[in-house]
Amino acid sequence: QSALTQPASVSGSPGQSITISCTGTSSDVGSYNLVSWYQQHPGKAPKLMIYEGSKRPSGVSNRFSGSKSGNTASLTISGLQAEDEADYYCCSYAGSSTLGVVFGGGTKLTVL
Amino acid sequence: QVQLVESGGGVVQPGGSLRLSCAASGFTFSSYGMHWVRQAPGKGLEWVAFIRYDGSNKYYADSVKGRFTISRDNSKNTLYLQMNSLRAEDTAVYYCAKDIGITIFWWGQGTLVTVSS
Repeated sequence: QSALTQPASVSGSPGQSITISCTGTSSDVGSYNLVSWYQQHPGKAPKLMIYEGSKRPSGVSNRFSGSKSGNTASLTISGLQAEDEADYYCCSYAGSSTLGVVFGGGTKLTVL
Repeated sequence: QVQLVESGGGVVQPGGSLRLSCAASGFTFSSYGMHWVRQAPGKGLEWVAFIRYDGSNKYYADSVKGRFTISRDNSKNTLYLQMNSLRAEDTAVYYCAKDIGITIFWWGQGTLVTVSS
């Protein structure tokens, strides 16, 4: 159950776009279309932003989008806003041997 | 509206035990699998355990296997986490979360567990 790999930090200016990567293995990210992304503001619970790789839950802005290529998933935020500054975590189904999930280490997004 | 309210956190000595509860409302609790996820102070998220909707199967992270037990009472709409042989590294905020199709859709606000002498 190794953690997925994310960059520790990314930054961008208001209005710009940024992309956060999430690298796993052929046993998790590469094998299943079950990657999700969570936003967490300080002191708050995580919030689901993307599920099944590219789907947005009701109420989540269409500025958030997800994709996957091989063992790497990505979260793109377009038209950056100040309120997007938060920690972002990816998560993937870890396979039938555990039936659990595995998280990335998290990425701190700073809006300059 | 989905609501998940954790309770039972607190300070416990190393080697001690604690039972967390999560009261669910706003959805048909008995139809959904549930997770526990934890977050150590200043650290990232770590999946802890998952239980199927009917309690028939349970799965654990290697770090807690043999020490923690996840369970549920569908008649009370409540999820539990029994934690034994607690260690300093178990100190964290513990979140209960609702699963849909092996995706964590909803999170509670968390309860803090501190393991310290």
